[in-house]
Amino acid sequence: NAGVTQTPKFQVLKTGQSMTLQCAQDMNHNSMYWYRQDPGMGLRLIYYSASEGTTDKGEVPNGYNVSRLNKREFSLRLESAAPSQTSVYFCASSEERLGYEQYFGPGTRLTVT
Amino acid sequence: QQPVQSPQAVILREGEDAVINCSSSKALYSVHWYRQKHGEAPIFLMILLKGGEQKGHDKISASFNEKKQQSSLYLTASQLSYSGTYFCGTEIDFNKFYFGSGTKLNVKP
Repeated sequence: NAGVTQTPKFQVLKTGQSMTLQCAQDMNHNSMYWYRQDPGMGLRLIYYSASEGTTDKGEVPNGYNVSRLNKREFSLRLESAAPSQTSVYFCASSEERLGYEQYFGPGTRLTVT
Repeated sequence: QQPVQSPQAVILREGEDAVINCSSSKALYSVHWYRQKHGEAPIFLMILLKGGEQKGHDKISASFNEKKQQSSLYLTASQLSYSGTYFCGTEIDFNKFYFGSGTKLNVKP
């Protein structure tokens, strides 16, 4: 039981390049989330998916798109990376929305130069 | 929308107690507490739901004042392993979470 897995672990992009961060969970959870964490800061919600086939914006969605490919997988895409998107990105999942803890993946450390 | 956490940092000796507070200006469905060690993912500690239900680890306790939209995390008889940054996350809308900026806890021998 791997929990929540993320790929890649590290990535360096040049301004304007695009990439997709992958996330998968094997806990049969309905809800999945993407967060970013800037140095010394808390987590900020980018997008979430309450269930397969649905996605919705969080606090900081600009510059990102997401796809809930199936119940297991939730990907985050940067179409045109900017230095302001340099951050650590965490994917998380929870069984349902309310009253359930979130399980976090190990994170992707992204640097945009 | 972000909740306000206090204090920003705490230094303890092993065995001492600490309280971390989390305050929101919005009505809350739930409050979540997580601990994060440097370079690692956040780990779940506790959930407090509107209406009084709580779920979490046995050695961690917390409270949720619904009228004041405030929560407190109580760490008793601290151990070295308690060191890390503690975050509260507040749910103010369906699946929308806002995390505080964290409280750094350093437990020394």
